[in-house]
Amino acid sequence: AQSVTQPDIHITVSEGASLELRCNYSYGATPYLFWYVQSPGQGLQLLLKYFSGDTLVQGIKGFEAEFKRSQSSFNLRKPSVHWSDAAEYFCAVGPSNTDKLIFGTGTRLQVFP
Amino acid sequence: DTAVSQTPKYLVTQMGNDKSIKCEQNLGHDTMYWYKQDSKKFLKIMFSYNNKELIINETVPNRFSPKSPDKAHLNLHINSLELGDSAVYFCASSRAASGAFYEQYFGPGTRLTVT
Repeated sequence: AQSVTQPDIHITVSEGASLELRCNYSYGATPYLFWYVQSPGQGLQLLLKYFSGDTLVQGIKGFEAEFKRSQSSFNLRKPSVHWSDAAEYFCAVGPSNTDKLIFGTGTRLQVFP
Repeated sequence: DTAVSQTPKYLVTQMGNDKSIKCEQNLGHDTMYWYKQDSKKFLKIMFSYNNKELIINETVPNRFSPKSPDKAHLNLHINSLELGDSAVYFCASSRAASGAFYEQYFGPGTRLTVT
């Protein structure tokens, strides 16, 4: 069965530091991969997506993610974190035959000044 | 312009009551969804509709009934509310169609509290 694992429940970084949030998926074929961000009390905003092609994808707010098929990973990165990046981050995978999104359990990012 | 909107944002009600949550999208998308986010922030799909037709029904109790009057609206009606229904409910939409998959856009959520 398809699944998404986000190994880090909670990450704390200092403002200005680099960030990497991990995401591993289990899926038989090439998946459609997504990162969403949920700020406190808000809905989910799409940060970036991977469907095919270049394995390094750029998103909004200075985020990028790299698809590594050999590692079944789609890690999210940002070179310099801002205090406003504090939020919950969700990785998701979309099976190609249906329109169902399967979400990971999320990683809560805390940013210290 | 809000792409996917939901009303109400907060809903507090007692066990046994019946309530509805409304969702509207102005993106021209063909497919709409309902997701439930539990207290641990876990998100799980409940239903999806494509052009007013039910596509996904993920073993949700019969007390939950989605209704799509047109492809821009997908409402969620819940009968006989239980304590365990307390959660945040998200509506989403995408231009997904048969054989094609696209990203989903989410509404702001409705926090339902059952007392």
